[in-house]
Parts: sequence; structure tokens; C-alpha cells
Amino acid sequence: GESVGLHLPTLSVQEGDNSIINCAYSNSASDYFIWYKQESGKGPQFIIDIRSNMDKRQGQRVTVLLNKTVKHLSLQIAATQPGDSAVYFCAVSTSYDKVIFGPGTSLSVIP
Amino acid sequence: DGGITQSPKYLFRKEGQNVTLSCEQNLNHDAMYWYRQDPGQGLRLIYYSQIVNDFQKGDIAEGYSVSREKKESFPLTVTSAQKNPTAFYLCASSLLAGATGELFFGEGSRLTVL
Repeated sequence: GESVGLHLPTLSVQEGDNSIINCAYSNSASDYFIWYKQESGKGPQFIIDIRSNMDKRQGQRVTVLLNKTVKHLSLQIAATQPGDSAVYFCAVSTSYDKVIFGPGTSLSVIP
Repeated sequence: DGGITQSPKYLFRKEGQNVTLSCEQNLNHDAMYWYRQDPGQGLRLIYYSQIVNDFQKGDIAEGYSVSREKKESFPLTVTSAQKNPTAFYLCASSLLAGATGELFFGEGSRLTVL
């Protein structure tokens, strides 16, 4: 089955710097990838998604990169702000099967 | 406003008691999901339902039960058979079944067993 993991459980960045959160998945047939942000005591919120027919997708201050060769996904946050402090999850699904979540990276922004 | 409502937000239970967590959505979404979240871990799928009157077990269904009698509602019962029920429970929905789009989450219910 699918497994999803993160390279770092915690990440600290200076305000204004760029943040990069990485995620690895195991199933080469995975075709849909999502990043969620979870603030303390709340449910996760959708940030951005990407399908396997794309390598890169950009949103407002966020970019998701997908490398299917090494089964790696990353989330880049530009000009990180204090409001970006949260836990970030990558989630992966395969051919309309259920979504599998990674363990999460806790991002702390240093003012 | 459209969204997902979970209740109660906090719940305390004595060992041996069953408890039911409520989840209601007014987004007209077909699919609904229950996840469990433990500290330092990702979300683990308990049960999901892609259509009314039908549901499937997720990865950690033992000790839990669900029903889907209405499109809007997907309650989760934590039974006394669940050995370690203290956790944060999240309900979610998606427009279509089949994990093809984003999940919309509720605010969660925190269950503590005393």
C-alpha cells in the first residue's frame, strides 16, 4: 500500500525567508497530491494540489513541485509570514482510492 | 455559510462507554470521511462513505462504527471496544467520491477517556 513520509518533522525559518517542506511517497501509481495547513486546534485547510500530469503548480505565495522519478513532493512558501506558522501535511491518492496523509511538518516562523 | 460542523468540540468519556460524534455538512458533497489524529502523526482514516446508505472501513476501523442515513450526516460512534480512544477526530467531505478533489474538514472533536 501507499506510505507517505516527510523529511523533517519541524522547520524554523526567519520571517521573510522562503520555506520548503518536503514529502516522499512510495507508490509510483499515485496520481493526485495535496498540501494542507493545520493551525492549532483546527481542522486542516486546503492549500494547493497537483496531478501527476504536471510538475509544478503555483498559487498565491505557494508553489508545489512534483518529481515523479524520485517520488518526491515539495511545498515552497515565499516570503514566509508569522501567519504561516502551522503544521503542513502532504496527502496522496492513487486512482480514485482513499487519500493517505503524511505525518506533518511543524513550521515555526521567527519574527 | 456552507461548511462542516462537528460536535461536540470536547468530549470526556469514562472507560466502557460508547460515545457518538456528530458530523453535518451543508455543502451537498457526496463523500464523507472520518479521520483520527494523534500527536506527531498524520491523519489516519477510520471510515468513509461515498454515497448514502453505504460506507467502507478505512485503515483503523476496529472499535468504531458509522452510519450514513442522510447525505448531510455521517456520525461516528466510538465503542468500548476501541482500546485507545483518546484522540482528535476530524470529519471531512469531498464533492465527489473517489479521492479526486480537496477535502473540506470540520473543526474537530477532541475525545478524552478518563
